Amino acid sequence: QLQLHEPGPGLVKPSETLSLTCSVSGGSISSRSYYWGWIRQPPGKGLEWIGTIYYSGSTYYNPSLQSRVTISVDTSKNEISLKLNSVTAADTAVYYCARMLGSSVNLRFDPWGQGTLVTVSS
Amino acid sequence: QSVLTQPPSASGTPGQRVTISCSGSTSNIGSNTVSWYQQLPGTAPKLLIYNNNQRPSGVPDRFSGSKSGTSASLAISGLQSEDETDYFCAAWDGSLNGPVFGGGTKLTVL
Repeated sequence: QLQLHEPGPGLVKPSETLSLTCSVSGGSISSRSYYWGWIRQPPGKGLEWIGTIYYSGSTYYNPSLQSRVTISVDTSKNEISLKLNSVTAADTAVYYCARMLGSSVNLRFDPWGQGTLVTVSS
Repeated sequence: QSVLTQPPSASGTPGQRVTISCSGSTSNIGSNTVSWYQQLPGTAPKLLIYNNNQRPSGVPDRFSGSKSGTSASLAISGLQSEDETDYFCAAWDGSLNGPVFGGGTKLTVL
């Protein structure tokens, strides 16, 4: 059974870089059938797509975050990573990683990681 | 403000049928399929419905989905106390060139 786990730092200072890693177990991140995504949910608000990566390293980012986001993949460790720089309080959120199935027409996320709360505060 | 619009809350009594709506536009729901997720507090979101009306294995047939035009609905029949949690919808958006989500609906079982 595929599982995703994204432990986080908990607290990041304003203007610094948020770094998260999503470890995938029970399956290979190198499967050609799937993409992998990062999604976040600020407290009390809806979900926001951050970006997507394919095992080959191809990336796609939300235009609203593109200037600050880098998503990478390490197939040897079966991990994907997220870096968000110059963070502010508005970046406080629960961050999720998820496997993305299907094409753009029939996309779905399954499974998801449990999520990690990252608070931006001095 | 979420791209897809859901009612913030819904409620029903045990055994009842409830529906949760998800409204979008031609760039998302109008041209792509909708998926639905259940999110229990502190746990990973769980896929309930994909391709508008398909259930993954293991999801009870009490859960069903439909889509018409730029709106979609999740129906839960035979409501149970364990269904009391949050639900949200998602779809690809051609304008964003990425997925968009609803703001979530908190379901209360009275």
